Amino acid sequence: AQTVTQSQPEMSVQEAETVTLSCTYDTSESDYYLFWYKQPPSRQMILVIRQEAYKQQNATENRFSVNFQKAAKSFSLKISDSQLGDAAMYFCAYRTTTSGTYKYIFGTGTRLKVLA
Amino acid sequence: DVKVTQSSRYLVKRTGEKVFLECVQDMDHENMFWYRQDPGLGLRLIYFSYDVKMKEKGDIPEGYSVSREKKERFSLILESASTNQTSMYLCASRKPLGSNQPQHFGDGTRLSIL
Repeated sequence: AQTVTQSQPEMSVQEAETVTLSCTYDTSESDYYLFWYKQPPSRQMILVIRQEAYKQQNATENRFSVNFQKAAKSFSLKISDSQLGDAAMYFCAYRTTTSGTYKYIFGTGTRLKVLA
Repeated sequence: DVKVTQSSRYLVKRTGEKVFLECVQDMDHENMFWYRQDPGLGLRLIYFSYDVKMKEKGDIPEGYSVSREKKERFSLILESASTNQTSMYLCASRKPLGSNQPQHFGDGTRLSIL
């Protein structure tokens, strides 16, 4: 069975600085999808970025980018030029590409604090 | 934008009550999910439905049931609420157009069982 591990329960970053949130996963599959979701305090969880395992190029969305290391089964999220609005819980998630399978597997989350 | 609406943000119920949590999505999504979120445990899947009247157990279905009579609505039912079901409940929906399609989440219902 697949597992997702976020080893940092909490992280802090100074405004305008860069922070990296780590995520590792375990799977025997060769093709899958990885996601980072953001959950601001008392607000809706939203998708930050996604990565297809068959793509070697790391995904990027504005200030958010990933470092996808398939062999190491690592999927870290880098936030550049951190802003106060980036403060949130961040969840890493895995999804298989197996047809007929609907489950996502989530990590336990990392709470990011942004210091002014 | 996809809108996933959960009927209550906060709910307080008593032990032994039958509790209904409602979720409605407006984007004609086939897949719908119920999770519970607890500190240190992340999101755990309770049940999901891949289409109308279809449902499958997730990782922690005990003490819960679901209903999907219409495509837009997915209800989570606590048959006899217990204090260990105090939690944040999140509903999500998704269009199965490909494995990379993300889930869209509601605002969550914070349920307290006294």
